[in-house]
Amino acid sequence: AQKVTQAQTEISVVEKEDVTLDCVYETRDTTYYLFWYKQPPSGELVFLIRRNSFDEQNEISGRYSWNFQKSTSSFNFTITASQVVDSAVYFCALRPIIQGAQKLVFGQGTRLTINP
Amino acid sequence: DTGVSQNPRHKITKRGQNVTFRCDPISEHNRLYWYRQTLGQGPEFLTYFQNEAQLEKSRLLSDRFSAERPKGSFSTLEIQRTEQGDSAMYLCASSLAPGQGHGELFFGEGSRLTVL
Repeated sequence: AQKVTQAQTEISVVEKEDVTLDCVYETRDTTYYLFWYKQPPSGELVFLIRRNSFDEQNEISGRYSWNFQKSTSSFNFTITASQVVDSAVYFCALRPIIQGAQKLVFGQGTRLTINP
Repeated sequence: DTGVSQNPRHKITKRGQNVTFRCDPISEHNRLYWYRQTLGQGPEFLTYFQNEAQLEKSRLLSDRFSAERPKGSFSTLEIQRTEQGDSAMYLCASSLAPGQGHGELFFGEGSRLTVL
């Protein structure tokens, strides 16, 4: 069975601060994908990133960066110099890389509020 | 707009009534998924289709729920004899088949159901 835990239910910071959203996962599968999605108030889940379990290289995309550590089963997401438009609920998700396994297992989400 | 489209966006119904939601996926995507999201929780997998074939159903999908994708394009999710516990956001997503894409799902804005 797979499980994704986002221990931070809500985070509130002032604009321009850096903020890290934690994600810890559990799986017995040896290969899997990890994802981050953003859910703004409109409700649509917006894909941010996908990582393979065999690629532990960290990734940076503009103000966003992701730190994948297989040894601690964590896939944390950092926003640098946060902006009000970053306010949303962020979800971490997991999916095994085996044929037929299609469902994403989501964490409970972290509600991020960036205050001006 | 070439994204995933869902309608209606909001549905209020009385307990015991039937409701139907429609999802139009991204046109070149042959996989279509239904998820349910309750307040403060992450999305939970319900079912998915590859073309017109329903390949997996969650135990969350009781006998009162039925999903179809008759021509491999749009899909419908019907809930019969609705109960208050069915109140949730019903999310549809689509993706390319394995080997054609990278596994990320593209979500619609959801259909919010309120059962009175």
